[in-house]
Amino acid sequence: QVQLVESGGGVVQPGRSLRLSCAASGFIFNTYSIHWVRQAPGKGLEWVAVLSYDGSNKYYAASVKGRFAVSRDNSKNTLYLQMNSLRAEDTAIYYCARDPLPYCGGDCYLDYWGQGTLVTVSS
Amino acid sequence: AIQLTQSPSSLSASVGDRVTITCRASQDINSALAWYQQKPGTPPKLLIYDASSLESGVPSRFSGSTSGTDFTLTISRLQPEDFATYYCLQFNTYPRTFGQGTKVEIK
Repeated sequence: QVQLVESGGGVVQPGRSLRLSCAASGFIFNTYSIHWVRQAPGKGLEWVAVLSYDGSNKYYAASVKGRFAVSRDNSKNTLYLQMNSLRAEDTAIYYCARDPLPYCGGDCYLDYWGQGTLVTVSS
Repeated sequence: AIQLTQSPSSLSASVGDRVTITCRASQDINSALAWYQQKPGTPPKLLIYDASSLESGVPSRFSGSTSGTDFTLTISRLQPEDFATYYCLQFNTYPRTFGQGTKVEIK
């Protein structure tokens, strides 16, 4: 069955960096675009970034553009989120989530979600 | 970026009630709207996609409709397991945007 497992979260000081991973299984990873979505404690959902199935297209939320970078290693079925210059407001649970169809052309919702990994930015 | 205005932010209802939640888009999104249910400590669960298509395995008491840029999630007869927070998501353009959420509580 489809599984997405996030890892790499933890406590980090403001201004430092952290890299999250999203390990996928149960589907043909290199045919699906994968997204990052975050949720600050007690708050709503915020879309963060997406990377297309072949790595050719990346989009970011304005709040993270220039600080976060998404990448993937299709040989390892893993998506990454490199987070630099972290701020207190980046504190959140970070989820990865999948498009519902392979080779989706950019107008697809999110179907399967991981359980999330918590990032806390604090001194 | 497209804004989604979701209302109400919270509501109290009883088991068996009919519940409606609305999401208004700031511009035309061509029915590219999904609804999610989230319970504490768990990731969101997809309920509705393309504004009105029911995801496989989701009970038929959930339905979605649209009128222009206004989208509605309806729960026809609220069940105990439906008490949760609901979010809309537009997937017409990037950046994707979510509504602010509606918490459905027990009256």
